[in-house]
Amino acid sequence: NAGVMQNPRHLVRRRGQEARLRCSPMKGHSHVYWYRQLPEEGLKFMVYLQKENIIDESGMPKERFSAEFPKEGPSILRIQQVVRGDSAAYFCASSPPADSGNTIYFGEGSWLTVV
Amino acid sequence: RKEVEQDPGPFNVPEGATVAFNCTYSNSASQSFFWYRQDCRKEPKLLMSVYSSGNEDGRFTAQLNRASQYISLLIRDSKLSDSATYLCAVNPLWAGGTSYGKLTFGQGTILTVHP
Repeated sequence: NAGVMQNPRHLVRRRGQEARLRCSPMKGHSHVYWYRQLPEEGLKFMVYLQKENIIDESGMPKERFSAEFPKEGPSILRIQQVVRGDSAAYFCASSPPADSGNTIYFGEGSWLTVV
Repeated sequence: RKEVEQDPGPFNVPEGATVAFNCTYSNSASQSFFWYRQDCRKEPKLLMSVYSSGNEDGRFTAQLNRASQYISLLIRDSKLSDSATYLCAVNPLWAGGTSYGKLTFGQGTILTVHP
């Protein structure tokens, strides 16, 4: 079952380090989304990418966060100089190009803990 | 006012009970509506899409009321395995006139079904 694959599943970083989260969409899907779920909060949209293009990054924090989806390879969510408040579950989702994107399928998530 | 609001819960019900969740949304232009189920430290999984005419899937029934801007989920004959957090999600219309997988989630309602 080649669903949305995320890695690492769990990541521990010290304050000030960088975190890189990877996401491979479902086979045939070319739209990728990143969501963040902070403790005791709901899921929040961060960014929507297609191959080599950022379509909507309205949910991305202005600093330290970046995302890419290169022509080859997985999508990467990069967090520089992590702080304790970045500790959260980061979910990637994907949808096929033929779909309007309404139905998205989530990966199992990457749990980031900043110590 | 939050864009999407859910019953705060938690709901604790016995097996076999019927339980209903409501979710209100503020953007009247919203196009698509969903219920997701999320188990502890797992990814959200699509439970069902919500259509204007209402839809049913086994013990689950979803309704949409556009006039009052709310969606509902009814679970009949609750099972222990229904214990989870239920998230409603709304897809607002993108300014360009095309929607995509940018969902706004409610904060979730915790359901516990006990023997």
